[in-house]
Amino acid sequence: GAGVSQTPSNKVTEKGKYVELRCDPISGHTALYWYRQSLGQGPEFLIYFQGTGAADDSGLPNDRFFAVRPEGSVSTLKIQRTERGDSAVYLCASSLTVGGSSDTQYFGPGTRLTVL
Amino acid sequence: QKEVEQNSGPLSVPEGAIASLNCTYSDRGSQSFFWYRQYSGKSPELIMFIYSNGDKEDGRFTAQLNKASQYVSLLIRDSQPSDSATYLCVPRGSGGGADGLTFGKGTHLIIQP
Repeated sequence: GAGVSQTPSNKVTEKGKYVELRCDPISGHTALYWYRQSLGQGPEFLIYFQGTGAADDSGLPNDRFFAVRPEGSVSTLKIQRTERGDSAVYLCASSLTVGGSSDTQYFGPGTRLTVL
Repeated sequence: QKEVEQNSGPLSVPEGAIASLNCTYSDRGSQSFFWYRQYSGKSPELIMFIYSNGDKEDGRFTAQLNKASQYVSLLIRDSQPSDSATYLCVPRGSGGGADGLTFGKGTHLIIQP
């Protein structure tokens, strides 16, 4: 079946602009995660949704970052007033359940964000 | 916070040999681990999950977990150039997996033809 998809694959924006990154999880997966990966680093956790609600947003770096998942499926990561330091690959992952043997996270291809 | 230590490498192994990737952890509460593989410019891909002491084999891959020594390893037999990637040892979340995963930089493996 289809895996996690993310759009756009690449996004170039100017400092100060607003961007939205979209994630479409694997069908039926209840949990959705956002990560950010800078060059040479491992992915860094940002936020996790169980259904429609953000169960853990402790990784969001500041209040310029916000994410929603209004219908419990597709999620959008929103970044306001972008800064050059926001440049990274933004990864989305989903898992079938939370806890138990079906909580393996499957990653999408990522969105490469470049802030000029 | 769950953290692991891995040698960032690069670890260079000749083709056909066994590649041994090691990971130590400090949190005794960590009970299980994922091994993810990440090719350059690609997203992480799960290759193994281990939760019991001992070995778990899947094809050319063997994961080993020693909870007493707080040590996790991944062995790749008959290594191929296509195994060249960064390998990430990741502890499973405390809430039965509900947490976001904590990644380190991983080990960069190079298989030399």
